Amino acid sequence: DTGVSQDPRHKITKRGQNVTFRCDPISEHNRLYWYRQTLGQGPEFLTYFQNEAQLEKSRLLSDRFSAERPKGSFSTLEIQRTEQGDSAMYLCASSFDSSSYEQYFGPGTRLTVT
Amino acid sequence: EDQVTQSPEALRLQEGESSSLNCSYTVSGLRGLFWYRQDPGKGPEFLFTLYSAGEEKEKERLKATLTKKESFLHITAPKPEDSATYLCAVQAGVIIQGAQKLVFGQGTRLTINP
Repeated sequence: DTGVSQDPRHKITKRGQNVTFRCDPISEHNRLYWYRQTLGQGPEFLTYFQNEAQLEKSRLLSDRFSAERPKGSFSTLEIQRTEQGDSAMYLCASSFDSSSYEQYFGPGTRLTVT
Repeated sequence: EDQVTQSPEALRLQEGESSSLNCSYTVSGLRGLFWYRQDPGKGPEFLFTLYSAGEEKEKERLKATLTKKESFLHITAPKPEDSATYLCAVQAGVIIQGAQKLVFGQGTRLTINP
């Protein structure tokens, strides 16, 4: 399977704990995106990388959130001191490097903060 | 600020009953409009990209159209397996290092009864 993969698929954590998610994009894609989706809503943009450079961040990405893509391949999204409001589906997507190209999404990581 | 509104929020149809989903958008400089399908607990699956008013794309029972203010997803003679949430998203703005994000609507939850 050569699609976008995410790990873990589900994460349950207690409030105040740190969590880290991983995304492996489609191998030929050099753009990688993170989105967050809550129940009944469409995905909301968090951040975007072109190769290893983080080029855009949403104001939704508070200082408790950090994302990296150290070698321009896989990416990690870390949430520090989790809060109940962080409970959501975290989606990763990748695309070719072009002015407007479709983004392909992974299966998501469902985070539940208790 | 770019905005996308989808209607209706939910739609129930009988198998074989054709209908249309609406996506209205307000953006500065549309570069692309995207339709995705999302099954419960999964990531969005890419369906179509439309770039300019008057453009149409078809895939099996689905047909997407675009005007200067809205897009329609027409579903002809739907089957129960077409049941899903259909998401509309836009990519807009000046082509710079940023402005790569997708802005999503809240989705239309479609149910096809046998």
